[in-house]
Amino acid sequence: SAVISQKPSRDICQRGTSLTIQCQVDSQVTMMFWYRQQPGQSLTLIATANQGSEATYESGFVIDKFPISRPNLTFSTLTVSNMSPEDSSIYLCSVEGRPQETQYFGPGTRLLVL
Amino acid sequence: AQTVTQSQPEMSVQEAETVTLSCTYDTSESDYYLFWYKQPPSRQMILVIRQEAYKQQNATENRFSVNFQKAAKSFSLKISDSQLGDAAMYFCASPLVFGKGTRLSVIA
Repeated sequence: SAVISQKPSRDICQRGTSLTIQCQVDSQVTMMFWYRQQPGQSLTLIATANQGSEATYESGFVIDKFPISRPNLTFSTLTVSNMSPEDSSIYLCSVEGRPQETQYFGPGTRLLVL
Repeated sequence: AQTVTQSQPEMSVQEAETVTLSCTYDTSESDYYLFWYKQPPSRQMILVIRQEAYKQQNATENRFSVNFQKAAKSFSLKISDSQLGDAAMYFCASPLVFGKGTRLSVIA
């Protein structure tokens, strides 16, 4: 299994600002994923990030709002732009590992937008 | 589009007893994987068990087992000899689409 860390673990932000969340993996992985988990809710996939290509966004999520970088096989960032209180959520990164299609999750970033 | 449905928002079980969490799904794929993940309170999401759809044999991992009914598109999780540490949110997933979760409480 992969060991995944996220920074920051939590943050309180003012509306209209942006926050960049970092995800670091202890091994090289092809696919990384970003999820949003609103309070008490399930996980919703935001986008899939492959190294060397543009991220693929799910319906309802756009690059201008959630730009993603994937500069190498162990690191990715998700930016939440022009935040509003509706963006208050836990943001999780995950990677696909072994066995096939199994996901390993980071600890999450808990974001509160005031 | 894939969908995953968990119809039990909350469940409870006595310690040492057995509980079954339900999950149904819909997919157009012919070969796919299904998962149960556990998310303890304020802790990291972890894999509980994985099922390969082309395998007829139900997956088992120690006290955790699944009842996979491919024709019915049903994928339930059975937890035997429940322990206090089993208390958590349980999510069924296929594999990037997650159900709404079932909150399991274990009563001492």
